[in-house]
Amino acid sequence: TQLLEQSPQFLSIQEGENLTVYCNSSSVFSSLQWYRQEPGEGPVLLVTVVTGGEVKKLKRLTFQFGDARKDSSLHITAAQPGDTGLYLCAGHKLNTGFQKLVFGTGTRLLVSP
Amino acid sequence: ETGVTQTPRHLVMGMTNKKSLKCEQHLGHNAMYWYKQSAKKPLELMFVYSLEERVENNSVPSRFSPECPNSSHLFLHLHTLQPEDSALYLCASSQDSAARGVETQYFGPGTRLLVL
Repeated sequence: TQLLEQSPQFLSIQEGENLTVYCNSSSVFSSLQWYRQEPGEGPVLLVTVVTGGEVKKLKRLTFQFGDARKDSSLHITAAQPGDTGLYLCAGHKLNTGFQKLVFGTGTRLLVSP
Repeated sequence: ETGVTQTPRHLVMGMTNKKSLKCEQHLGHNAMYWYKQSAKKPLELMFVYSLEERVENNSVPSRFSPECPNSSHLFLHLHTLQPEDSALYLCASSQDSAARGVETQYFGPGTRLLVL
């Protein structure tokens, strides 16, 4: 089983604070994606990282893929209430006959005004 | 709006009922997926269809029966479910299920199922 552990599971912070969410696995993935899921909706893709060590920025969000392609982190600067949601990492495996995403355990973020 | 719609959004059923979940994608994609999202488990892949052919059944009990009549529609037929099957059932689609490159999966809003 290719398990992706996310930490922390829950995070409640005030607007303006910074935070980091971690996604760790013992397996190597060809790429890794981060999704955000809001209540009553399905997950929506935020970013895809492909190369070990890659860093991508999306406004106040910074994503990093570990050098060994086993882990990733998501850093949010100056969090806003609109960042509230469930953050999911998902590792992509290409050596199967079809595209398979293995999802992480999730981090639920609450940003209070 | 992701281009993937699911109906119904909420469903309550008894263990002896038969019901069906429907998913429709308006993106022209060739692959469709069913996922189960429970409160205490990661998102679990249930089934994958590529060009209307099932390419993956991830050890799902037979009380869940998928159907893909065309590349735009996907159904999940439910029969004699158990209370532990209560969950959010998500449908997703992507351009291709066997792409060599990374593809984006687009998710519907899900059907919240409660089995009594």
